[in-house]
Order: sequence, then structure tokens, then C-alpha cells
Amino acid sequence: ILNVEQSPQSLHVQEGDSTNFTCSFPSSNFYALHWYRWETAKSPEALFVMTLNGDEKKKGRISATLNTKEGYSYLYIKGSQPEDSATYLCAFITKSNTGKLIFGQGTTLQVKP
Amino acid sequence: DAGVIQSPRHEVTEMGQEVTLRCKPISGHNSLFWYRQTMMRGLELLIYFNNNVPIDDSGMPEDRFSAKMPNASFSTLKIQPSEPRDSAVYFCASSPLQGGYNSPLHFGNGTRLTVT
Repeated sequence: ILNVEQSPQSLHVQEGDSTNFTCSFPSSNFYALHWYRWETAKSPEALFVMTLNGDEKKKGRISATLNTKEGYSYLYIKGSQPEDSATYLCAFITKSNTGKLIFGQGTTLQVKP
Repeated sequence: DAGVIQSPRHEVTEMGQEVTLRCKPISGHNSLFWYRQTMMRGLELLIYFNNNVPIDDSGMPEDRFSAKMPNASFSTLKIQPSEPRDSAVYFCASSPLQGGYNSPLHFGNGTRLTVT
């Protein structure tokens, strides 16, 4: 059974703090990893799609890295703002079923002003 | 672009009734996905289509669930008969296939289904 693990499950930080969370996935048969941001009462929105070992992507204060050999990706938020409060989901795709995104349970971030 | 459009936004029905959820993908996207979100299991893929053809329906819970995509701009997810354990938020998402899955999914706003 393919499993995507995200940690921590939830996180509370103060405005201005930098933070990071982890997505772990099976390292064999890797095809791609997606990160999504999901605000309450909205739908998930894509942040990054990563495919290559060593990939680093950045969008404003948010960045992500990928290690396909050891099976993990980190998402970093620099100088957290209250509007960053959301659930951050990663989704893993294998070569054997490239249409199927397997989602983790997410990390819920709460940024206090 | 209007994005992925789902209807209805909310559906409340009684156990045993038929429920039909609808989805209009983004124009030009040729992959369409149905997901179900619950507290216990998170986001689960139910079924996905490429070019209107169902590719993987292994996530469909049981025979009570069926999905169709009669054309590139419309898909339905039907539950018949519905049961209280089907209560969840159902998301539709679309993506351009472009020879691979390096494109992100674009999600609709979801349909919140409550079966009493």
C-alpha cells in the first residue's frame, strides 16, 4: 500500500516566524510530487509540481525541496503571515499509475497575528 | 476562465435516494478526477478520466457509485441508493494531460453531500 505521510499534523506559529513541514513518500517508482494549499471553505490550489531529485521551487515566501532518493519533500514558509493559515497537502504519483495522485493527510498551519 | 464548476454546492438527501453530482472541467483540459474528502480518510481518488474514457475506477467504494463523462465538458458522479456514510465533500478536478502528469490539478469548489 502506497502511503504519503505528512508531519506535523498541525502547527501553530506567530506572525513573522519561519516554518517548515515534511512530506514522506515511497522512494521507489517515483514520478512526481505536488504541493497544494487548502484554505478553509475553499478548494485546494496548486503550489508546486516537482519531478527531479534536488528540485527546488519558490513562490514568494514559500519554497519546496525534493529528495527522491530518500523519499521526502520539505515545504518552507519564510516570515509566516496570518493569510498563510491553511492546510498544506502533498500528493505523490508513481510511474506505474501516473494519473493517480495519492494525497497525504496534510499539515494544518495556524499563524497568529 | 471560470475554473472547474461543480453543482450543486450543497446537497441534503434522505437515505435511499439517488444523488447526482455534476462537474464542468476547464475548457481544454482532458483529464478529469473525482475525489471524496472525509475527516477519516482525507482526499481519496474515486475515479479519473482521460479524454472522456475512465482510466482507473479502483477508488469507487462500491456498485452504488457510478461516474460518466459523456463529453469533454461534462461529468457526473451518481450514488444510488445513497447511505449516511456517503456524507462527505466531493471534489472534481481537471488537468491538461499533455503527455504526462506534471501539470497540477485544478479543483472545483466541491459539493457537500449530507445523507440523513
